[in-house]
Amino acid sequence: AQTVTQSQPEMSVQEAETVTLSCTYDTSENNYYLFWYKQPPSRQMILVIRQEAYKQQNATENRFSVNFQKAAKSFSLKISDSQLGDTAMYFCAFMSLSGTYKYIFGTGTRLKVLA
Amino acid sequence: DAGVIQSPRHEVTEMGQEVTLRCKPISGHDYLFWYRQTMMRGLELLIYFNNNVPIDDSGMPEDRFSAKMPNASFSTLKIQPSEPRDSAVYFCASSPYRATEAFFGQGTRLTVV
Repeated sequence: AQTVTQSQPEMSVQEAETVTLSCTYDTSENNYYLFWYKQPPSRQMILVIRQEAYKQQNATENRFSVNFQKAAKSFSLKISDSQLGDTAMYFCAFMSLSGTYKYIFGTGTRLKVLA
Repeated sequence: DAGVIQSPRHEVTEMGQEVTLRCKPISGHDYLFWYRQTMMRGLELLIYFNNNVPIDDSGMPEDRFSAKMPNASFSTLKIQPSEPRDSAVYFCASSPYRATEAFFGQGTRLTVV
């Protein structure tokens, strides 16, 4: 069974600085997607970025980028030029493409951006 | 489209009562997921449907939990009888066929006293 692990329950970063959130996963499959979702205090889950496992190039979305290490099963999120609005829970997620299409989430990292 | 719609937003009930949570997925989406969020366990997948058919309910914690999807535009998650440890935020999400993103509702915060 697939598992997703986020080992950092809480993190903080100064405004305008860079922070990296860690995520590791376990799977025997070769075809899958990985995601980072953001959950602000409003509770709404918002997709931040996604990565297809077959792509070697790391995904980027404006200030957000990932470091995808497939062999190591690692998928970290880097937030550059942190803003107060980035304060939220961040969830790493795995989706199998091998028939089941289940979304499996980690336990989350609570990020606080300090002014 | 208005997105995934869940009701109610908040529910407070007494232990032993039946609770029904409702979800309307985005039109045209083939997959529907129910998640439970707690501080200790994060987001747990309870059950998911494909084309209204339950595919995997291995995350349903006990027989007190049941879920149905009678048609493509409606799903329910029922807890009977409810217990205080069921208190959590319950999310519904939907995604298109072979999706690359799950679209979440606003969640239902359930409190069982």
